[in-house]
Amino acid sequence: QVQLQQWGAGLLKPSETLSLTCAVYGGSFSGYYWSWIRQPPGKGLEWIGEINHSGSTNYNPSLKSRVTISVDTSKNQFSLKLSSVTAADTAVYYCARAPSTVRGVIITKYMDVWGKGTTVTVSS
Amino acid sequence: QSVLTQPPSASGTPGQRVTISCSGSSSNIGSNTVNWYQQLPGTAPKLLIYSNNQRPSGVPDRFSGSKSGTSASLAISGLQSEDEADYYCAAWDDSLNGRYVFGTGTKVTVL
Repeated sequence: QVQLQQWGAGLLKPSETLSLTCAVYGGSFSGYYWSWIRQPPGKGLEWIGEINHSGSTNYNPSLKSRVTISVDTSKNQFSLKLSSVTAADTAVYYCARAPSTVRGVIITKYMDVWGKGTTVTVSS
Repeated sequence: QSVLTQPPSASGTPGQRVTISCSGSSSNIGSNTVNWYQQLPGTAPKLLIYSNNQRPSGVPDRFSGSKSGTSASLAISGLQSEDEADYYCAAWDDSLNGRYVFGTGTKVTVL
């Protein structure tokens, strides 16, 4: 049974860099994309980006200039850094496993295993 | 700003059938497969339907998904009190070099 355990700083000041890590236990690390998703208080879900075991990344264009997702295959971990945070970055941040297939031009991607979430608050 | 539009709320009495719509465009639902997630209060989302109409192991067959053109639907038949949750559709969007997009979310209330 694959489990994701995530951790990181929960309280940041404006302009600081958010840093979260997600560890994968009990399953294969290769063959999947690994994603970060966030949810502001009382709002919907927003995809931040993803990485695979080879280090190939995709980012949400709205956050791309501030986001870096990296991978450490020796530890089965992947990490998120979001720079220059503001109050608008206050959210619960989730990591998730994202199986992805391409058949012709049709992309199937979904998040089937999720971490419990980390609440990140940005406040001066 | 979500690119997939859902009704903000839906409701039904126990045993009823509830349907949630998800409207997108040619670059997302029209091109790729649709997934649905259920989020109970205070918990992480859970995958409910993937690849338009496939249920992961353990998801009751009361939940079903369908897709037509640039829209998709989630149906909950035999509504139960434990189905009260937020539901999100999602798909890969081919625009802007590609991104994963979620719907606006629908709160289902069991009356």
